[in-house]
Amino acid sequence: DTEVTQTPKHLVMGMTNKKSLKCEQHMGHRAMYWYKQKAKKPPELMFVYSYEKLSINESVPSRFSPECPNSSLLNLHLHALQPEDSALYLCASSQDLVGASYEQYFGPGTRLTVT
Amino acid sequence: DQQVKQNSPSLSVQEGRISILNCDYTNSMFDYFLWYKKYPAEGPTFLISISSIKDKNEDGRFTVFLNKSAKHLSLHIVPSQPGDSAVYFCAATILQGGSEKLVFGKGTKLTVNP
Repeated sequence: DTEVTQTPKHLVMGMTNKKSLKCEQHMGHRAMYWYKQKAKKPPELMFVYSYEKLSINESVPSRFSPECPNSSLLNLHLHALQPEDSALYLCASSQDLVGASYEQYFGPGTRLTVT
Repeated sequence: DQQVKQNSPSLSVQEGRISILNCDYTNSMFDYFLWYKKYPAEGPTFLISISSIKDKNEDGRFTVFLNKSAKHLSLHIVPSQPGDSAVYFCAATILQGGSEKLVFGKGTKLTVNP
């Protein structure tokens, strides 16, 4: 199983809502990532978890709150978002953070629209 | 400051011919270089990688060439097929705070015409 799954596929939320994005992998990977991708731009790294601990936070606003309940799951909690936060949110995982053949497997993404 | 640059936003190639996708980088500390392919409404899919100590890596129809002195890499696809039509992202890994992170280029949209 080389799949990273993400739910929901699409999400529309108001600026006062609280919602969560979910990501799951069963490849035994110990590193998981959240990326944000705007149209016609490359993915931008938001957070990295390594062995269920937050390893990198790329100065992301606190209205985005990541959580790693266990080694297979990664959540992104959303609260009081702005319309400019509308984007494709991608989850990825890799076997480890450092080493040879560094390769991330990406999920299909959640298309988020903030109204 | 764009550390990984893909200067061609798009490329159009005839089926059966060679596709050459180019990527330049500025940071000599990058460890590995990777190519990802992305179809619309899907996440990026890993294609091929190359270590910074090598100059060529081949996998089937895909070959990546690295020229460290020029800080340039390229992806060759031969023969190109219509199913190769996608956005191709060049990416590089760099050690930051004990973790490696991926830095992506802006992508090149490849269209292979039948």
